[in-house]
Amino acid sequence: QKEVEQDPGPLSVPEGAIVSLNCTYSNSAFQYFMWYRQYSRKGPELLMYTYSSGNKEDGRFTAQVDKSSKYISLFIRDSQPSDSATYLCAMSTTDSWGKLQFGAGTQVVVTP
Amino acid sequence: DAGVIQSPRHEVTEMGQEVTLRCKPISGHDYLFWYRQTMMQGLELLVYFNNKAVMDDSGMPKDRFSAKMPNASFSTLKIQPSEPRDSAVYFCASSSGGGYTFGSGTRLTVV
Repeated sequence: QKEVEQDPGPLSVPEGAIVSLNCTYSNSAFQYFMWYRQYSRKGPELLMYTYSSGNKEDGRFTAQVDKSSKYISLFIRDSQPSDSATYLCAMSTTDSWGKLQFGAGTQVVVTP
Repeated sequence: DAGVIQSPRHEVTEMGQEVTLRCKPISGHDYLFWYRQTMMQGLELLVYFNNKAVMDDSGMPKDRFSAKMPNASFSTLKIQPSEPRDSAVYFCASSSGGGYTFGSGTRLTVV
């Protein structure tokens, strides 16, 4: 079983809807949590970076971390066709900060 | 800043040949990472450096892969000899201790 589980999708939503993405993990030592967006044939782009538990908001994006449930979420409000991409969660421990564990990625399609 | 710069963008080579991938990190970033991405395995960490020193290379097949960082602004990943199973997109990323910035990747095809 992988340390980080993420549903590969695809997840199709109409423009303007809220996109809800999540990952579960098994390693309780994970402290750093990130979300990346990857367009086709491009490198991953950092969207959100959080430490430990709690919520973080940046524009249309909200990241949540629930360490008690080993569950992280990313919400995209007022979704746009330009949000169509693959979204990857990633996490690491304090001792092994550089060994980021990535989820498989969820493909999101926002239809006009 | 131009971001993380990788070259070449595409590489097609024959099995058994040597392949060298290059990376220029963002100036001031003291961490550099090499990842490989395939449909089956997703993103896998091969090796990472901190201040030019290898911190972890446990994900790298050391019989054929080697990574170097001779100075703070340049790193190479070499595969010798290359095999068809090495076909993937190779990403370089750099960081100053927070989130990572990825390059555009090198798409390697070994035939």
